[in-house]
Amino acid sequence: ETGVTQTPRHLVMGMTNKKSLKCEQHLGHNAMYWYKQSAKKPLELMFVYNFKEQTENNSVPSRFSPECPNSSHLFLHLHTLQPEDSALYLCASSQEAWRQGEAFFGQGTRLTVV
Amino acid sequence: GQQLNQSPQSMFIQEGEDVSMNCTSSSIFNTWLWYKQDPGEGPVLLIALYKAGELTSNGRLTAQFGITRKDSFLNISASIPSDVGIYFCAGQGAQKLVFGQGTRLTINP
Repeated sequence: ETGVTQTPRHLVMGMTNKKSLKCEQHLGHNAMYWYKQSAKKPLELMFVYNFKEQTENNSVPSRFSPECPNSSHLFLHLHTLQPEDSALYLCASSQEAWRQGEAFFGQGTRLTVV
Repeated sequence: GQQLNQSPQSMFIQEGEDVSMNCTSSSIFNTWLWYKQDPGEGPVLLIALYKAGELTSNGRLTAQFGITRKDSFLNISASIPSDVGIYFCAGQGAQKLVFGQGTRLTINP
């Protein structure tokens, strides 16, 4: 248990569905992140939020829509995904955005798009 | 963009053996980090290195920040079954954190 909780752990969705991934941390951290982890590829940073404000979007397609209502919660809204979007989606948090390397990761949501 | 070359991609060893893996880059980094990811879990930070030449240990794990600032290695001594997993390096430059592709460690008892 790292203090970062992700739900659901597993998700299967059709290409026309809309779903949301949830991430919660009660570590008092100010920065939160979404990463995509695909087989045999390095971790890919998708979004960075610092003090609830999005500070980084690494050219992520608009079918992925993040939301950060407060410093403890982060969502990733999914719609009209493609099969190649199937991956493990990891949420992480760190005290400050410049300490990204020291982030605590959640267990991830294993997403399968069918 | 910046890329890390992590090797080996996989290792199959006997329990009790020592393990060594490394990451190299064509870019200079200010910080090197090593993580471990167990099956079904997110990565966990093992060791962080902040200074060229720095050698840091965490139990049976030892990591070094290369003097050129373009490489780092991780050693595990006297491996045990719970060392199984995927080990990732990461380098942080002026801005971005870049991850290696991982080394999958399998241990035969």
